Amino acid sequence: AQSVTQLGSHVSVSEGALVLLRCNYSSSVPPYLFWYVQYPNQGLQLLLKYTTGATLVKGINGFEAEFKKSETSFHLTKPSAHMSDAAEYFCAVTTNNAGNMLTFGGGTRLMVKP
Amino acid sequence: DAGVIQSPRHEVTEMGQEVTLRCKPISGHDYLFWYRQTMMRGLELLIYFNNNVPIDDSGMPEDRFSAKMPNASFSTLKIQPSEPRDSAVYFCASSLWSGDRGVEQFFGPGTRLTVL
Repeated sequence: AQSVTQLGSHVSVSEGALVLLRCNYSSSVPPYLFWYVQYPNQGLQLLLKYTTGATLVKGINGFEAEFKKSETSFHLTKPSAHMSDAAEYFCAVTTNNAGNMLTFGGGTRLMVKP
Repeated sequence: DAGVIQSPRHEVTEMGQEVTLRCKPISGHDYLFWYRQTMMRGLELLIYFNNNVPIDDSGMPEDRFSAKMPNASFSTLKIQPSEPRDSAVYFCASSLWSGDRGVEQFFGPGTRLTVL
C-alpha cells in the first residue's frame, strides 16, 4: 500500500516569495505522483504529474516539482508567489498495482500575504 | 467538453431524510470515483467504478451509504438515513484508462451537503 504525507497543513508566504510545499510518499513499487490544486468552492484540478522520465516536472501557473527517489519526496515549488496562488494543494500517489486509484495527502493550505 | 457535472451543488436536509447526489462523468471516461471532503478527515475515497462496475467500496462509511452506476454517463450516491456527521463536500471524479498510470482524474465542482 502507498501513502502520502504533506508536511505543514498551512503555509504562509509573502507575494513574490518562494513557494515550497512538501510532499513525501511511501511506496514499495515505483510511484506515479501528482499535485492537485483546489481553489475555494471548487473541485480539484491537476497542476502537474510525474510518471517516468525527467524527474523535474513543470506544471501550470509556473509551478514545478522534482521527484527524488532517494528522499521519497515530490516537493512543489514556485519561484515567486502571486496572490492568485492562495488555495489548497494536494499531493497524490498511485502505483501499477493500485488500479486507477489515487491516495491523497492531507493537503496544504497556501496563504499569500500582500 | 462540459467536464464532470454534479448536482445539486448545495443540499440542506434534516436528519433522517434520504439524500441523493448525482454525477455525470466526462463522456468516454471509464473510471468514476466518489470522494468526501471534511475539515477533520480531509479527502476520502468512498467508492470507485470501472466500466460501471463497483471495484472498491471499502471507503463507504457504513450501510447507510450506497452508490450506483446504471450506465456510463450517470452515477448516484445515496445516504439513507442521513445524519449530521454526513455533512461534507462530496466530489465525483472521472478518468480514462490509457495504459499510463499517470492518468489524470477530473473532478466535478462538488456537492456541499448539510444535514441539520
